[in-house]
Amino acid sequence: DSGVTQTPKHLITATGQRVTLRCSPRSGDLSVYWYQQSLDQGLQFLIQYYNGEERAKGNILERFSAQQFPDLHSELNLSSLELGDSALYFCASSPLQGVGETQYFGPGTRLLVL
Amino acid sequence: AQSVAQPEDQVNVAEGNPLTVKCTYSVSGNPYLFWYVQYPNRGLQFLLKYITGDNLVKGSYGFEAEFNKSQTSFHLKKPSALVSDSALYFCAVRDPSGGYQKVTFGTGTKLQVIP
Repeated sequence: DSGVTQTPKHLITATGQRVTLRCSPRSGDLSVYWYQQSLDQGLQFLIQYYNGEERAKGNILERFSAQQFPDLHSELNLSSLELGDSALYFCASSPLQGVGETQYFGPGTRLLVL
Repeated sequence: AQSVAQPEDQVNVAEGNPLTVKCTYSVSGNPYLFWYVQYPNRGLQFLLKYITGDNLVKGSYGFEAEFNKSQTSFHLKKPSALVSDSALYFCAVRDPSGGYQKVTFGTGTKLQVIP
């Protein structure tokens, strides 16, 4: 158990809908990262937050947005969902924002868009 | 731009034999390199990383990796494979020279240890 929690574990929704994925980092960690894992795209970095501020952006679609709250939990919002958004979404955390820091991954949220 | 390649989709090895999972990278500066393992229906777990210093890095569960700058490689190794090592292994790279940089993961290598 990494200490990173993600809810929900599974999510089934329809195209065009909007969902929110939630992540609680390990106690004391200030950075949160979001990843998408799919069969065709592999593991893709989406976005990083550090202490409430956006730090790095990867292959995140405009339909997706994220934020980190004062209590350091983070939410990833996915809107206008398409079939291709079906994937496993991981959150990870690290103590600070250093480039060499180890990231600790949560168990993931499996999203199925029908 | 940074990139990482794992040339083998799957590696099969007999239990007790040494194993190697290959990784090559491309960055503009000096790389920070990581190995993670993913068991079925689980998140990724950190194995080891190279930041600086000794080219041979030792990590969790008896794994080690050797940083080779001339060959731009960071292969994962273990002297004696266990059936419980069967999992999906990811190599990742981060280039610190550009400030806040994303982590780039390889496509993953499925390791199958045969009893």
